[in-house]
Amino acid sequence: DTEVTQTPKHLVMGMTNKKSLKCEQHMGHRAMYWYKQKAKKPPELMFVYSYEKLSINESVPSRFSPECPNSSLLNLHLHALQPEDSALYLCASSQVEGAPGELFFGEGSRLTVL
Amino acid sequence: GESVGLHLPTLSVQEGDNSIINCAYSNSASDYFIWYKQESGKGPQFIIDIRSNMDKRQGQRVTVLLNKTVKHLSLQIAATQPGDSAVYFCAESGADGLTFGKGTHLIIQP
Repeated sequence: DTEVTQTPKHLVMGMTNKKSLKCEQHMGHRAMYWYKQKAKKPPELMFVYSYEKLSINESVPSRFSPECPNSSLLNLHLHALQPEDSALYLCASSQVEGAPGELFFGEGSRLTVL
Repeated sequence: GESVGLHLPTLSVQEGDNSIINCAYSNSASDYFIWYKQESGKGPQFIIDIRSNMDKRQGQRVTVLLNKTVKHLSLQIAATQPGDSAVYFCAESGADGLTFGKGTHLIIQP
């Protein structure tokens, strides 16, 4: 199994809603990542979890709250988002953080904030 | 700050021709590079990687060239097919994960 699975694929939410994005991998990877990608732009790193602990937070606003319940799961909780937060949110995993190697990406969750 | 970038936002090629996508990087300490392909509506997909102790690496229909003297990376796709249509990103692998270049949209003309 070399897949990273993200749900939902599409999400539309209002600025007062609370929603969550979910990510799952069963490759035994110990590093998991959230990236944000705007249209026609490269992915931008948001958070890195290493061995289920938050390792990197790239100065992301607190309306985005990551959570890593176990080594296979990564969530991104959303609250009080702004329309400019509309983007493709990509989850990725790698064997360990920091070691050169391939990142495996999910298909992404496309978020629209109204 | 240091970053990895691409030269052209769009590259249009005829089906069957070879494609060359270029990338310039600025961090001379970088020692590992990856090319990703991202099709519309999908996440980035690994194509090929190369370490700084190599100049060239070949895969199936793809070749990556690394010129450390001018800090230049290129991806060559042989006999381009319609399924190659995508945005291609070069990326530098470092301690903080991947730093992506700006991407080149490869358009295949029949």
